[in-house]
Amino acid sequence: AQKITQTQPGMFVQEKEAVTLDCTYDTSDPSYGLFWYKQPSSGEMIFLIYQGSYDQQNATEGRYSLNFQKARKSANLVISASQLGDSAMYFCAMREGLTGGGNKLTFGTGTQLKVEL
Amino acid sequence: NAGVTQTPKFRILKIGQSMTLQCTQDMNHNYMYWYRQDPGMGLKLIYYSVGAGITDKGEVPNGYNVSRSTTEDFPLRLELAAPSQTSVYFCASKPRTGAFNSPLHFGNGTRLTVT
Repeated sequence: AQKITQTQPGMFVQEKEAVTLDCTYDTSDPSYGLFWYKQPSSGEMIFLIYQGSYDQQNATEGRYSLNFQKARKSANLVISASQLGDSAMYFCAMREGLTGGGNKLTFGTGTQLKVEL
Repeated sequence: NAGVTQTPKFRILKIGQSMTLQCTQDMNHNYMYWYRQDPGMGLKLIYYSVGAGITDKGEVPNGYNVSRSTTEDFPLRLELAAPSQTSVYFCASKPRTGAFNSPLHFGNGTRLTVT
């Protein structure tokens, strides 16, 4: 089974609107962390936001927030007030604490977001 | 602060050739990683290292080798290049401290084409 699933290959959103990018995960490890990265067309990987499995509150970083539903094993990224510069590929990734040696990240296949005027 | 530096940025190889992708970081990070990203796909882990002298296989290690003789450098060696190794290669690092919530710091990638 896929550890990280992103079911939306592509998404469109109007400028200034909010958008939700879906991410579901699969792990039996009680200790894990979820990360979102942005990859613009220039190719670099930019870290956006982190959510720990024991965190009681949803993470927020500026216009980015994470809708963490632990029972459903989902960690959706919400971008508020979309801007043209948000057009990029977005990756969800997971780090498993007890079973994941080396603190490595496992990535999903990504969602391509296009912000339109 | 340079962060994670990868060289070269682009390379074209012929089938059967070998090459080394260089990666160096100046943040004194213990953990280093090599990922590959195929077109339209996510990143897959090739190899990783938790410190100098220690390396381990990731999800897709076949056709690659690594070494970690210093904290700063983590080169990736391709032996007998094949078209299936056409990809973008990313090197990344993270510190040992603050282990769990530390994000990976990525280099800008090496775009490799094997023809």
